[in-house]
Amino acid sequence: QKEVEQDPGPLSVPEGAIVSLNCTYSNSAFQYFMWYRQYSRKGPELLMYTYSSGNKEDGRFTAQVDKSSKYISLFIRDSQPSDSATYLCAMSAGNQFYFGTGTSLTVIP
Amino acid sequence: DGGITQSPKYLFRKEGQNVTLSCEQNLNHDAMYWYRQDPGQGLRLIYYSQIVNDFQKGDIAEGYSVSREKKESFPLTVTSAQKNPTAFYLCATRGLATYTQYFGPGTRLTVL
Repeated sequence: QKEVEQDPGPLSVPEGAIVSLNCTYSNSAFQYFMWYRQYSRKGPELLMYTYSSGNKEDGRFTAQVDKSSKYISLFIRDSQPSDSATYLCAMSAGNQFYFGTGTSLTVIP
Repeated sequence: DGGITQSPKYLFRKEGQNVTLSCEQNLNHDAMYWYRQDPGQGLRLIYYSQIVNDFQKGDIAEGYSVSREKKESFPLTVTSAQKNPTAFYLCATRGLATYTQYFGPGTRLTVL
């Protein structure tokens, strides 16, 4: 079983839609949870960072962590064509990081 | 201008040749990491280093080598022993007081 599972998509939505991206994990020791956005042929860019359970909001983006279910989510409100990218979840309990395989998102104008 | 630089952006290598990928940072981060990214497989850890002159193998270290002689630099050598080196290579850093990683722009290596 992989440490982190993420549906690869692809996911295609119309502009203005609410997007929900999700990851599940198996290691209950994970305490730090991150979402990265990666454009084609570029390095991942840190979007959101959450410690332990709860919600965190930053503009159109909301990150949720449910440690009891080992489930994390990223919501994108009012999605824009510029949000079209691959979204990677990542988590850590210390020095090493574990990544999902990424979900490819396309926002259609 | 703070950040992480990787060079070159694109690299072509003939089979049997060693090649070194550069990673430099001016974020004053202590920890540095090398990942390999292949389609559908996510990021796989090659090596990481938490302090100068010390580094640890990741999940796929075979056929790779690293050095950490300076805090700012963590070069990765892809040796001829690496059977399938064509991939996108990403360098990342982390400050020891934080638990998030920041990535460089990547180097795409193609073996001809």
